[in-house]
Amino acid sequence: QSALTQPPSASGSPGQSVTISCTGTSSDVGAFDYVSWYQQYPGKAPKLFIYDVFKRPSGVPDRFSGSKSGNAAFLTVSGLRAEDEADYYCSSYAGTNNLIFGGGTKLTVL
Amino acid sequence: VQLEQSGAEVKRPGASVKVSCKASGYTFTGYYILWVRQAPGQGLEWMAWIKHDSGATHYAQRFRGRVSTTRDPSISTFNMEMSGLRSDDSAVYYCAYSEDGIVARDWGQGTLVTVSS
Repeated sequence: QSALTQPPSASGSPGQSVTISCTGTSSDVGAFDYVSWYQQYPGKAPKLFIYDVFKRPSGVPDRFSGSKSGNAAFLTVSGLRAEDEADYYCSSYAGTNNLIFGGGTKLTVL
Repeated sequence: VQLEQSGAEVKRPGASVKVSCKASGYTFTGYYILWVRQAPGQGLEWMAWIKHDSGATHYAQRFRGRVSTTRDPSISTFNMEMSGLRSDDSAVYYCAYSEDGIVARDWGQGTLVTVSS
């Protein structure tokens, strides 16, 4: 299975909103509502930010939201802050106990 | 709750490596440990999972036959062993706690494995 497709980079100014896409197929993103998003700072372990398409673990700001349409999922960050600058990875259940990640998107806060 | 991984490793091509992950503080016994790796400057790649209570395992197709994951439930320690190491196996290897084998809720600190002659 190929990795999910994410744009390599995204950017926005403080206070703005930015949306990162994660495109899969009808066998993974399109088939299951099991998309997760992870935030990763350089040299650090990833941290879960969104699961089951739109759910937020406790402690994750509500500025972060997730959605899905067809074979694509989206992470929207509203009210951008400097500390949001990081790499973001999506993942999806791909059936038969398999998991697949996206290639990652580097979010820059201008 | 935390996952504590073993230290960095340097291996020769063709060798094997074992990475350990000790889970502590988790009360749910039916959890999974996912193994995910990240090559330098690259994205995350799911490798396998193992279920804490039953020991059931599942591997990504590209790692079958080369990766094995085991556990000692009595001490909540999980191991991932990879054989036939190549230079492109150089990566940070993470273990992650999951309640469904899909969502990685907590992550270990990562173990750097360097394969070099």
